[in-house]
Formats: sequence, C-alpha cells, structure tokens
Amino acid sequence: DTEVTQTPKHLVMGMTNKKSLKCEQHMGHRAMYWYKQKAKKPPELMFVYSYEKLSINESVPSRFSPECPNSSLLNLHLHALQPEDSALYLCASSQGLAGSYNEQFFGPGTRLTVL
Amino acid sequence: AQKITQTQPGMFVQEKEAVTLDCTYDTSDPSYGLFWYKQPSSGEMIFLIYQGSYDQQNATEGRYSLNFQKARKSANLVISASQLGDSAMYFCAMREGATGRRALTFGSGTRLQVQP
Repeated sequence: DTEVTQTPKHLVMGMTNKKSLKCEQHMGHRAMYWYKQKAKKPPELMFVYSYEKLSINESVPSRFSPECPNSSLLNLHLHALQPEDSALYLCASSQGLAGSYNEQFFGPGTRLTVL
Repeated sequence: AQKITQTQPGMFVQEKEAVTLDCTYDTSDPSYGLFWYKQPSSGEMIFLIYQGSYDQQNATEGRYSLNFQKARKSANLVISASQLGDSAMYFCAMREGATGRRALTFGSGTRLQVQP
C-alpha cells in the first residue's frame, strides 16, 4: 500500500469555525509533512513530524495546530482562519528525515475555502 | 536567494515530440537530491524522477529522463514522445541531506500544455 489518504477532499468553513484535516498512511513511514499550496504557486512547507514529534514548524500562525497521534496519522486543526488561508493543503510522508533521498509520497490534498 | 529556479512559467509542445523543462538549483550542501513532480489539475503530486548529487549517471524513468549537469547546477527534465495526458504543472524540488532542511523545497513550476 503506497497511498497517503486525506479527508475531507473539500472543506468550506467560516472564520469562527473549528475544523480538522486528517491524513493517514500505512507504509510504515516515520516522517509526515503538511504543505500549503495557493493557486498557481508551489507547495510551501508548514510542519514536519518525525517519529511523532514536531521537527519543523515553518513559523506557521497558531490558528493552525498540527497533531500526530500515532505513526500513521497526522491531523491539522484549524481555528479562526482567515479568507487568505484558503488553499490546497497537502499531506506527505517519507521513510524518515535523514539523507537526501527520501521520496515524499503525497496525498490528494484537501481544498479549503474560508468564507 | 531562490534555492530552486524554474524560468519557464509555461510551455507548449506538440503531441509525440520531446520537451525539456528547465530547473537550476543552489545549495552548499554536498549531499542533495533533486526531484520532479507532476501536478494535474486534480491537485495530486505525482513523483516522476529522482537524481542524487552523487549519482554518476543521469536518471531515467520510462519517458522521463533528467539531464543533470552538476557543475552548472541544473537538473532539466526531458519528456520524450509527449502525450495529451502529460498536460499538467511540473515542479522541480530539492532536498538537502546533510546540513539543510530535511524537506522538499519546490521551484515555482512550469505549466506544460501538450497540443494534438
């Protein structure tokens, strides 16, 4: 199974809502990533987890809160978002962090719209 | 400074012809990897090909090949015999293995349109 799944596929939320994005992989990977991609732009790294511990936080606003409850799951909790946070949110996983070759397998993404 | 530069925002190619997508990179890390991903309009990122900084030969994967010129810091993607399904956004990305951030840094992308 070389698949990363993400739910939901689409999400529309108001600025006062609280919602969560979910990501799951069953490849035994120990590194998981959240990227944000605005339209016609490349993905931008948000967070990296390694062995369920937060390894990298790219100065993301606190209205985005990541969580890695176990080695297969990665969540992104959303609260008090702004319309400019509307984007495609991509989850990825890789075997680990070490080394220059660690192919990142991407999920299909969640398209988030903040009204 | 940009770590990954893709200078072609858009490219057109005729079906069955070959096309080269340009990518230059900048790093002082001796150990790095270069990746190419394809992103159709559906949004998924599809891994195409990988080249390691210590690899002696250019990588090939089916119709995809990577023209790696280390001294010039370029890693161009060559797609042979283009197909209509190749129309998509293509991203070059780098991962620094020793001293850099342990995640992919992407270029701005090239939108390829294959014409019948």
